[in-house]
Amino acid sequence: EDQVTQSPEALRLQEGESSSLNCSYTVSGLRGLFWYRQDPGKGPEFLFTLYSAGEEKEKERLKATLTKKESFLHITAPKPEDSATYLCAVQGGATNKLIFGTGTLLAVQP
Amino acid sequence: DGGITQSPKYLFRKEGQNVTLSCEQNLNHDAMYWYRQDPGQGLRLIYYSQIVNDFQKGDIAEGYSVSREKKESFPLTVTSAQKNPTAFYLCASSITPKPYGYTFGSGTRLTVV
Repeated sequence: EDQVTQSPEALRLQEGESSSLNCSYTVSGLRGLFWYRQDPGKGPEFLFTLYSAGEEKEKERLKATLTKKESFLHITAPKPEDSATYLCAVQGGATNKLIFGTGTLLAVQP
Repeated sequence: DGGITQSPKYLFRKEGQNVTLSCEQNLNHDAMYWYRQDPGQGLRLIYYSQIVNDFQKGDIAEGYSVSREKKESFPLTVTSAQKNPTAFYLCASSITPKPYGYTFGSGTRLTVV
């Protein structure tokens, strides 16, 4: 069964304190791994798509990496506006369905 | 601007009532999806549709119904058979078959009163 596990569930950082969020997955034939940002009361906002092990993507203070078993979302020198829930999802096999993890709630304090 | 519009933003349902959540997209995407989000749980798939006039049940379809009469529209009806409907509902769309991910709407919060 396809499954996505995110850790930690919650993370509190001081402004400027870099860290990483983890997304472990099991899926038959990975077609894509996706990172989203979700603010309270809003829909998820697309951040990155990773397709194969070794791939990396960057956007401002965020960098996503992918191995055969997990993905990391690295946050460098975070700011309070980076506070949000970060969701990981995978798409595998012949389906277009995304399987989501439960998310990591990130709080960045000034 | 292209995107997905969900309405209403907030919805209140009385016991035994059916309610319909609207989802419209102007992205020309083939596939559309409905997810339910509860605190501490991941997004769970209710129904999805890959082409007009066709849809499939997701993981938690009981107590819900959908229609896909137009490419742009994918309304979700929460029926009285859904015993715990209070949740945040998200509609999404995607291009098929390539794995480009989803574009999400802003969500509808449904509360039973």
